[in-house]
Amino acid sequence: KAGVTQTPRYLIKTRGQQVTLSCSPISGHRSVSWYQQTPGQGLQFLFEYFSETQRNKGNFPGRFSGRQFSNSRSEMNVSTLELGDSALYLCASSLAGGSYGNTIYFGEGSWLTVV
Amino acid sequence: SQQGEEDPQALSIQEGENATMNCSYKTSINNLQWYRQNSGRGLVHLILIRSNEREKHSGRLRVTLDTSKKSSSLLITASRAADTASYFCASGDKVIFGPGTSLSVIP
Repeated sequence: KAGVTQTPRYLIKTRGQQVTLSCSPISGHRSVSWYQQTPGQGLQFLFEYFSETQRNKGNFPGRFSGRQFSNSRSEMNVSTLELGDSALYLCASSLAGGSYGNTIYFGEGSWLTVV
Repeated sequence: SQQGEEDPQALSIQEGENATMNCSYKTSINNLQWYRQNSGRGLVHLILIRSNEREKHSGRLRVTLDTSKKSSSLLITASRAADTASYFCASGDKVIFGPGTSLSVIP
């Protein structure tokens, strides 16, 4: 079956703009998590959605937001982009969440460059 | 702060040697997972060990878990150049990842 799909794979934005990243989880998976990966900070947890509700949230400013649709697809949005938002954004899905012992599957990520 | 911390941060070995990476975590866990990431790619799940398990094997991988010490180790036996990657452990309600161990296997 198809894996986790993230779009777009690469994008360049200007400071102050906003961006929306999309994630289609594996069919049947209801938990979707988002991570930011940078060389300096490593993998940072952004948030997790389960059945359209945000279940967990990391320590990111309110400029970072997300949502999940009834078909489990998820989007994350970053408003008022800053240079420091340049990163690889990874989406991951699982049946009910990694903390419940489910294997988490990752997409290939969306590379965001802010100039 | 991060839930997991891998050690060492970088490891370089010859092909055929064994590689051992360690992970320490802070709070109680239900399970701990290990992942591999090739440069610039997504993470690939390697193995999950539950809190009531002490050791688990998968092919050339062996994972141990010591809940009393809040630590886990990943052993890759008979390493290959294709094992060159970053390895992460993850645990906790939010599935927090450590900074990873960068493994280089020299042919």
